[in-house]
Amino acid sequence: QSVLTQPPSASGTPGQRVTISCSGSSSNIGGSYVCWYQQLPGTAPRLLIYRDNQRPSWVPDRFSGSKSGTSASLTISGLRSEDEADYYCASWDDTLRGVFGGGTRLTVL
Amino acid sequence: QVQLVESGGGLVKPGGSLRLSCSASGFTFSDYYMSWIRQAPGKGPEWVSYMGSSSNSIYYADSVKGRVTISRDNAKKSLYLQMDSLRVDDSAVYYCARGVGGHYNGYNYFYMDVWGKGTTVTVS
Repeated sequence: QSVLTQPPSASGTPGQRVTISCSGSSSNIGGSYVCWYQQLPGTAPRLLIYRDNQRPSWVPDRFSGSKSGTSASLTISGLRSEDEADYYCASWDDTLRGVFGGGTRLTVL
Repeated sequence: QVQLVESGGGLVKPGGSLRLSCSASGFTFSDYYMSWIRQAPGKGPEWVSYMGSSSNSIYYADSVKGRVTISRDNAKKSLYLQMDSLRVDDSAVYYCARGVGGHYNGYNYFYMDVWGKGTTVTVS
């Protein structure tokens, strides 16, 4: 049972926009920034979004993040086949320990 | 090229011990937090531990507290995880990751911006 709650699956067709949600509480998302990781099959997770909505230089601007209260969202615009992966949200709780979501498997139809 | 390479995983019996190592290159190791994160087969990542740049600020997940010890050697650019009293549910791929943390606009932030490829620990 993960501390942060994500839908187990999401899907879209090429070119569509897909949004993945992440729900937490006041002791984690509500009091800390959120980050998102992408994990392609057989590889390590890769940072996608940090501090709620900031993108590392290697991440295309099709990926965006937002946060409101105790929930966060990752939006992928212009969906591409190579976006098919598992996506995880993460944050920090008020005891300075990391927490992850259970992950959302994105399928590009 | 920024790189993290883990080693030390393997098959161990319940109650046994393992010491994982992570070798860093391509960045100033002593400037960064470092973390261990694990991922059991078919599950999401689980944060295990992190350590501040000067071996201060050490934190452990409740699931491993008292059984694992994180350490680092900045001169060798290496991070370690000593795991004792291993249990079957400790079986996972263990990743070493570089951490960036701070305080911004009234909130804490921490994220792992570089990950190794992982080393597999099997307790059976």
